[in-house]
Amino acid sequence: QKEVEQDPGPLSVPEGAIVSLNCTYSNSAFQYFMWYRQYSRKGPELLMYTYSSGNKEDGRFTAQVDKSSKYISLFIRDSQPSDSATYLCAMSPPNSGYALNFGKGTSLLVTP
Amino acid sequence: EPEVTQTPSHQVTQMGQEVILRCVPISNHLYFYWYRQILGQKVEFLVSFYNNEISEKSEIFDDQFSVERPDGSNFTLKIRSTKLEDSAMYFCASSRQGNTEAFFGQGTRLTVV
Repeated sequence: QKEVEQDPGPLSVPEGAIVSLNCTYSNSAFQYFMWYRQYSRKGPELLMYTYSSGNKEDGRFTAQVDKSSKYISLFIRDSQPSDSATYLCAMSPPNSGYALNFGKGTSLLVTP
Repeated sequence: EPEVTQTPSHQVTQMGQEVILRCVPISNHLYFYWYRQILGQKVEFLVSFYNNEISEKSEIFDDQFSVERPDGSNFTLKIRSTKLEDSAMYFCASSRQGNTEAFFGQGTRLTVV
């Protein structure tokens, strides 16, 4: 079983829609969870960082972590064409050199 | 806004040659990382570095790879004898502490021919 699973998509939504992106994981030791946005042939850009379970909101973005289900989500409200990118979830356990385990990424297309 | 800077943006090298990829992490960060992404695949961890030593490395990071922080600002990844399968985007990242947000550079695209 892969440590981090993420549906690759592509996911296509109309402008203004609410987008839900998800990852599941198998390693219960994961404590730190991040969402990155990656444009083609560019570096991952950090969007959200959460520790352990709970919700975190930043502008149009909300990250949720459910450790009991080993499931994390990123919600994007009022999606814009500029949100079109690949979204990567990443997570790490404590005291392991903080190596991030990435999902394969979900490709999102927001159409005008 | 502070950012991680990587050079060069693209490197083409012949198989068997040595390459050095360079990174300037964010100045007050203490943890440094190298990741790679083969085209169409996920971002994979290579190595983490703290307090002038490797704190963790993956199976990918074999004897052909080495990292160095030669001065107070640069962080380098050396591949001693490149193979075709080393062709990938290589990303440097840094974080203020080990359990805080990791920021990535724009990457170096390595092409081994």
